[in-house]
Amino acid sequence: QSVLTQPPSVSGAPGQRVTISCTGSSSNIGAGYDVHWYHQLPGTAPKLLIYNNNNRPSGVPDRFSGSKSGTSASLAITGLQAEDEADYYCQSYDTSLSGYVFGPGTKVTVL
Amino acid sequence: QLQLQESGPRLVKTSETLSLTCTVSGGSISTSFYYWGWIRQPPGKGLEWIGSIYYSGSTYYNPSLKSRVTISVDTSKNQFSLRLSSVTAADTAVYYCAPERTTGRWFDPWGQGTLVTVSS
Repeated sequence: QSVLTQPPSVSGAPGQRVTISCTGSSSNIGAGYDVHWYHQLPGTAPKLLIYNNNNRPSGVPDRFSGSKSGTSASLAITGLQAEDEADYYCQSYDTSLSGYVFGPGTKVTVL
Repeated sequence: QLQLQESGPRLVKTSETLSLTCTVSGGSISTSFYYWGWIRQPPGKGLEWIGSIYYSGSTYYNPSLKSRVTISVDTSKNQFSLRLSSVTAADTAVYYCAPERTTGRWFDPWGQGTLVTVSS
């Protein structure tokens, strides 16, 4: 049972916009800790997508954007492409657990 | 460009100790920019942070694993290592190593990962 919750799956047609929520609590996101996002293609290692809530590493398309408010964060993918089919994970720090926590992951399907 | 590579036995017997090493290339492990972390992923499941180490040897661990985990660093070899004792089938997972940015606490880039199976 993760302290961060994500929807198990989201889907959209090519070109559409989808969002993935990451809901935490006052001991992690709500405490001011930053949220980071990773995506993971089947059989590969996770790759950083968004760091510090809304920053994209070099090379990540601007179709990906992040936001944070209160005890939640969101990842938005605009102009959905077939190559975006992957699992997406949020990550933060939890002061009650004294460690890093990941969300359970959301599978994005492109219809 | 940092690159990390995990290595170690792929099969470990129940109740024994899992040992993995992460070799860092493309940069020095003795840097103030990073901690060095281990994360695992059981087959078909999500990610779990195991613990992290600074080049000075300072460590911090996931409390749920702390009693069984030791992470060490060898700066002369640009490597850091994981030991997980008293393993069970629940420890079967892909184990990843990754640098953890000290100023932001995200992990990037990740090693390719290595599947370790625990079996009797």
